[in-house]
Amino acid sequence: DGGITQSPKYLFRKEGQNVTLSCEQNLNHDAMYWYRQDPGQGLRLIYYSQIVNDFQKGDIAEGYSVSREKKESFPLTVTSAQKNPTAFYLCASSTKQGTEQYFGPGTRLTVT
Amino acid sequence: QKEVEQNSGPLSVPEGAIASLNCTYSDRGSQSFFWYRQYSGKSPELIMFIYSNGDKEDGRFTAQLNKASQYVSLLIRDSQPSDSATYLCAVRRYGGSQGNLIFGKGTKLSVKP
Repeated sequence: DGGITQSPKYLFRKEGQNVTLSCEQNLNHDAMYWYRQDPGQGLRLIYYSQIVNDFQKGDIAEGYSVSREKKESFPLTVTSAQKNPTAFYLCASSTKQGTEQYFGPGTRLTVT
Repeated sequence: QKEVEQNSGPLSVPEGAIASLNCTYSDRGSQSFFWYRQYSGKSPELIMFIYSNGDKEDGRFTAQLNKASQYVSLLIRDSQPSDSATYLCAVRRYGGSQGNLIFGKGTKLSVKP
């Protein structure tokens, strides 16, 4: 089955700890994205990558970091510098030429 | 002015009726428009996209685009309780990096049996 997987589904961390969220796709998509969704809010873009070994900051990149060492993988690290990390994190991918983005199931992060 | 605006709802329609969801956008140069459905606690699912003025139909769904008035709408015919979800409108940024979308906050639709 082709698709996007994210793990874990739920993640709990203590304040001050870094945490890495996994995103893998087997759709052969070049572009991958990370969004954050807060209750009652739209999706906000954190980071995106159009090609392996290259990525750009989105609208709310502060306190986050990413890597793109493989086409299939785009992990997101939420660092202790992120002031309000508790949120629903969504990974998406698209073909390089097209703009339809397809989402993974998401990771719900709770930091206390 | 917000870039993509949607009425947050909830929009309540009876089963079998037509649900009409609207979205306005501020960037006149926007070219591509998308509708996503998001069930509570789940991730968004792409249901329609439209690039040209006019209507685009797919089953019970019709997307309508009017670039002159800067709005895009989604019609759901013969609404079913299973259509109850939040519908997100997304617009591709004009001149921005390829593929970047701006999302509205979504309209919550409730279809009553």
